[in-house]
Amino acid sequence: GENVEQHPSTLSVQEGDSAVIKCTYSDSASNYFPWYKQELGKRPQLIIDIRSNVGEKKDQRIAVTLNKTAKHFSLHITETQPEDSAVYFCAASPTARNTGGFKTIFGAGTRLFVKA
Amino acid sequence: SAVISQKPSRDICQRGTSLTIQCQVDSQVTMMFWYRQQPGQSLTLIATANQGSEATYESGFVIDKFPISRPNLTFSTLTVSNMSPEDSSIYLCSVGGSGTGLTDTQYFGPGTRLTVL
Repeated sequence: GENVEQHPSTLSVQEGDSAVIKCTYSDSASNYFPWYKQELGKRPQLIIDIRSNVGEKKDQRIAVTLNKTAKHFSLHITETQPEDSAVYFCAASPTARNTGGFKTIFGAGTRLFVKA
Repeated sequence: SAVISQKPSRDICQRGTSLTIQCQVDSQVTMMFWYRQQPGQSLTLIATANQGSEATYESGFVIDKFPISRPNLTFSTLTVSNMSPEDSSIYLCSVGGSGTGLTDTQYFGPGTRLTVL
């Protein structure tokens, strides 16, 4: 089955700096890669996702890159702000269109601290 | 995205008892899932709730311990049976796929925080 590894487990940056979180996956059938942000005591919230037919996607200060050959994808947050502090989870799954259903496997999470 | 609610939001239970958690969605969804998240940990899939048929369980989770119902496309329940302190965790409902289509994005309910004494 799919296995998703995520690094680093903890990341501390100064406000205004960039933060990068990296993930690798094992199942070549995976072609959908969402990222979730979870604030303390809250539910995971989808912040960005990418599909295997694109290599990069950007939404304001957040961008995700995908290298399907190497089976790794990364989350980039620029101009970090204290409210970006949270736990971020990467995930991988085969798309529903391919399997008639889908199962998302999550990475272990990265705790991001943005110091003001 | 769908609006997902869970009941109860939290509970404190005695060991040996059972608790049923409800998940309600405001629109029909194709897929419903149940996850467990232990403190400081990632999300672990317990099972996929299948409408009108038995749930599909992940390795390490069994129907006798975590019976699941899904009577329609907007509702599911997860029961944590014969609880022990090791079952203390947050249980999250997740949904994906809207209407008759199949989409990939999953959204999460607010979670149920369970403490077993």
